[in-house]
Amino acid sequence: EPEVTQTPSHQVTQMGQEVILRCVPISNHLYFYWYRQILGQKVEFLVSFYNNEISEKSEIFDDQFSVERPDGSNFTLKIRSTKLEDSAMYFCASSLSTDTQYFGPGTRLTVL
Amino acid sequence: GESVGLHLPTLSVQEGDNSIINCAYSNSASDYFIWYKQESGKGPQFIIDIRSNMDKRQGQRVTVLLNKTVKHLSLQIAATQPGDSAVYFCAEIKQAGGGNKLTFGTGTQLKVEL
Repeated sequence: EPEVTQTPSHQVTQMGQEVILRCVPISNHLYFYWYRQILGQKVEFLVSFYNNEISEKSEIFDDQFSVERPDGSNFTLKIRSTKLEDSAMYFCASSLSTDTQYFGPGTRLTVL
Repeated sequence: GESVGLHLPTLSVQEGDNSIINCAYSNSASDYFIWYKQESGKGPQFIIDIRSNMDKRQGQRVTVLLNKTVKHLSLQIAATQPGDSAVYFCAEIKQAGGGNKLTFGTGTQLKVEL
């Protein structure tokens, strides 16, 4: 069964450093998303991406964040200058249409 | 404003019993609702979905009920098994607008006792 994959599974970085989280969505899906989950809290929407552009973003997704689909298979989330409060699980998701979203296993980001 | 919340933070059931997990939502414009299961250290796993024009949908051992009058969603798990132990989230989508963002509730921890 097709699934969303994410790398790395755990990323440790110093405050102020740039990180890139990578995702490979399900191959025939058209809509792509990033969510995050701070430890013990609910999953929060960051951004959605369709037709090579951002379709919606949350207040969390400020100028330090960017997304890119550099080729036909990868979808990346970049944080330019990480802050301590960026520490969280980051989940990529994809969907074929505007309904069910399938999630990857997540990347645990730890900012020191 | 929009909110999706769960009535009970923790639910303990005996193996073999049926489980009912509840969810209240406040956005009557939501088109679509999804239940996800999240095991420790993993991503949310799709369980079942329901559109706002339906009131019931059944899957394998799971049933979702939607009551739009009182803005209530429930997930019923039949013959609960130890492997069902996880946090369960309801989520809603308002599809108009193109973003399709999921708004998640805070989650219910289901514990299955042997």
